[in-house]
Amino acid sequence: DIQMTQSPSTLSAFVGDRVTITCRASQSISRYLAWFQQRPGKAPKLLIYKTSTLESGVPSRFSGSGSGTEFTLTISSLQPDDFATYYCQQYYSYPLTFGGGTKVEI
Amino acid sequence: EVQLVESGGALVQPGGSLRLSCAASGFTLSTYWMTWVRQTPGKGLEWVANTKQDGSATYYVDSVKGRFTISRDNAKNSLYLQMNSLRAEDTAVYYCVRGSNGNNVGYFDSWGQGTLVTVSS
Repeated sequence: DIQMTQSPSTLSAFVGDRVTITCRASQSISRYLAWFQQRPGKAPKLLIYKTSTLESGVPSRFSGSGSGTEFTLTISSLQPDDFATYYCQQYYSYPLTFGGGTKVEI
Repeated sequence: EVQLVESGGALVQPGGSLRLSCAASGFTLSTYWMTWVRQTPGKGLEWVANTKQDGSATYYVDSVKGRFTISRDNAKNSLYLQMNSLRAEDTAVYYCVRGSNGNNVGYFDSWGQGTLVTVSS
């Protein structure tokens, strides 16, 4: 199984900060990586797929990069709506697996 | 607008059974892979099962193989998860999720609101 490890698990930041979350895969997943945002009590929402492709309607302050085993999600200027938990997920091979999540808080 | 609405979650005793349903609308179900994903406070998000567009292929996480069955009725725009021999560790919110319309499951672009399954005596 491919293990997905996110860091940090919690991140404290302010509105306007540039924020970077890292996701590492235990083996190469090419670029088959997605990022999700989850607010409390809500379902996850797709932000980015294929490592760097922004889902329709997602603000351009979100960006993704990487390949192989190391990936990053960057929020260029943190907004109040962005305080949430972020998950990475590989869809390269079964079983499909998620990272443990990164909570972005004030 | 894509909508996925789960139902069927409940409190059930260990060893019991439950069937979850997902009503899909706003897209043609028969052209998409469909998935169940669950979430527990302790283990985060976990992929449970997938079914190909026509139901000809299904995939499961090891922990549910032989106990859970994913199925679909494209004519009724519905996805199902039959859960047997339930265990305490199956307690979670279960999400109905849309995959790709291609040859592989792809990424998950639409999620339902989730339905809570609690396994406890």
